[in-house]
Amino acid sequence: GNSVTQMEGPVTLSEEAFLTINCTYTATGYPSLFWYVQYPGEGLQLLLKATKADDKGSNKGFEATYRKETTSFHLEKGSVQVSDSAVYFCALSDFLGNEKLTFGTGTRLTIIP
Amino acid sequence: KAGVTQTPRYLIKTRGQQVTLSCSPISGHRSVSWYQQTPGQGLQFLFEYFSETQRNKGNFPGRFSGRQFSNSRSEMNVSTLELGDSALYLCASSGGGSGANVLTFGAGSRLTVL
Repeated sequence: GNSVTQMEGPVTLSEEAFLTINCTYTATGYPSLFWYVQYPGEGLQLLLKATKADDKGSNKGFEATYRKETTSFHLEKGSVQVSDSAVYFCALSDFLGNEKLTFGTGTRLTIIP
Repeated sequence: KAGVTQTPRYLIKTRGQQVTLSCSPISGHRSVSWYQQTPGQGLQFLFEYFSETQRNKGNFPGRFSGRQFSNSRSEMNVSTLELGDSALYLCASSGGGSGANVLTFGAGSRLTVL
């Protein structure tokens, strides 16, 4: 079956540091890949997505590239801010249009001033 | 544009009781999905409804059920509650077509079973 593996948290960084959160997946076929973010007390928000190999998703300074050869979708940001503190989830959908998402366990990120 | 609205936000039940949670999707969205979020199991897919029909189902026992109404609003029901059903239940809506299946989540209903 499908699975998503994220790096273990929590992750604590200083403001303006470089961020990488690793995500690898197992799926048959050609999945769509997503990063969702959950702020305290809120539901999940879509951060970015990629629907085919070599696509790069980007939003709010965050980027992730769909690497089929390494089955990875690592999240990066060049300079984090305190407001980026949240839990980040990597997810996949096993085909375009399928609303069933398989999520990773989430990575809690804390940015200190 | 109003987001996904879930009610109630918090509720406490005792073992053996049943509970009904409600979800109002974004206007125009026809697909509603439900997820359970727990510290131990993370986010797990429960089911998805599209145009009043269950289109997909996760690996949960039959005590978990749902339905969707003609206005796309959805409810999920859990019968004979167990302690392990304590969780944040998240509803998400999407256009439901063959697009990029971008889900918009509500803030969730936090269920505590005593």
